[in-house]
Amino acid sequence: AQSVSQHNHHVILSEAASLELGCNYSYGGTVNLFWYVQYPGQHLQLLLKYFSGDPLVKGIKGFEAEFIKSKFSFNLRKPSVQWSDTAEYFCAVNADYGQNFVFGPGTRLSVLP
Amino acid sequence: DAGVIQSPRHEVTEMGQEVTLRCKPISGHNSLFWYRQTMMRGLELLIYFNNNVPIDDSGMPEDRFSAKMPNASFSTLKIQPSEPRDSAVYFCASRTIGQGSYGYTFGSGTRLTVV
Repeated sequence: AQSVSQHNHHVILSEAASLELGCNYSYGGTVNLFWYVQYPGQHLQLLLKYFSGDPLVKGIKGFEAEFIKSKFSFNLRKPSVQWSDTAEYFCAVNADYGQNFVFGPGTRLSVLP
Repeated sequence: DAGVIQSPRHEVTEMGQEVTLRCKPISGHNSLFWYRQTMMRGLELLIYFNNNVPIDDSGMPEDRFSAKMPNASFSTLKIQPSEPRDSAVYFCASRTIGQGSYGYTFGSGTRLTVV
């Protein structure tokens, strides 16, 4: 069965610090990978996704993620965070174009002004 | 497009009461999903429908939970009787079958508090 783990439960950074949120999945076949963000009081929104091709994916708001197949990882990065990036971030895997997604437990990011 | 619409946004109810959560998927989408989000368990799939038919309800925690999709534009998730451990945010999502992972859209969620 697929599973997704996220390395950190809660990350606290100061503005302008660099961000990297870890995501690892367990599945040996073809996967589609996603990062979602949930701002306080709001619904989940798609940050970026990887289907195939260039393993370095750029998303909205300056976020990017790198798919490393050998490590089963899809880490999310941002060179310089802002206070408005305070949110919860979810990594998700969709395997072999299956019907549903498997979500990681989420990482809460707090950015201090 | 108004997106996936869920109601109510917030629900506070007493233990033992029946709770009904509602979802209107995006027009034209024929696959609908109910998720529950808690601090302890993260985001969990409860049930999903294709063309109004329940396909997989293995994530429904117990018989107190039931979901229906009487037509393509409406779905309900009912909890009867509700318990404090049901407190969570319940998300509905929809997409079109056959597009793989494209067009998967979440609603704003219903925050349920059972006291």
